[in-house]
Amino acid sequence: QKEVEQNSGPLSVPEGAIASLNCTYSDRGSQSFFWYRQYSGKSPELIMFIYSNGDKEDGRFTAQLNKASQYVSLLIRDSQPSDSATYLCAVRGSSASKIIFGSGTRLSIRP
Amino acid sequence: GAVVSQHPSRVICKSGTSVKIECRSLDFQATTMFWYRQFPKQSLMLMATSNEGSKATYEQGVEKDKFLINHASLTLSTLTVTSAHPEDSSFYICSARGATGAGGANIQYFGAGTRLSVL
Repeated sequence: QKEVEQNSGPLSVPEGAIASLNCTYSDRGSQSFFWYRQYSGKSPELIMFIYSNGDKEDGRFTAQLNKASQYVSLLIRDSQPSDSATYLCAVRGSSASKIIFGSGTRLSIRP
Repeated sequence: GAVVSQHPSRVICKSGTSVKIECRSLDFQATTMFWYRQFPKQSLMLMATSNEGSKATYEQGVEKDKFLINHASLTLSTLTVTSAHPEDSSFYICSARGATGAGGANIQYFGAGTRLSVL
């Protein structure tokens, strides 16, 4: 089992709809969770981080964390074509000094 | 968010030469820096972790004598690809994590990456 798992996609969402990206992790003691966006040919850019159970909202983005289910998600409201990118979920485990990245989900917003 | 500067953004070199890539944290002190490599359409692959003033920790399968990492100060880490060969052509990305301030203790910020092409 991979430490951080994501569906590779591509996930195709119509413009204006809600895009839902999911991630599961194996280390039950994980404390910190991150979502990065990576455009093709560019480096990852931090979108959001979340430490506590529940939802965290920032503009059109909402991160959701459920530690009991070892599940973290990212919702993008009012999806725009510019949201088309690969989204990387990253998790810092209970004892790790580094964060573990998922392989990413490719999101495509169709006009 | 915190700013990580990586230079150069692109380098083309002949086989057998060495290439140095610099990574600087501009507005925070980076106690830990990370070097990643990414091939087209593939995931990020962590190569090594470096802490200021100590030797880098390399991931399994990464040759430490080929990929030399120096983290001499809290704002600068360098990766030198020695005797580069065409198979070393890739996208190299640095990432920095701070102890306090804008960088935060838990957040990794990425440089813009360096695209290396070895002829």
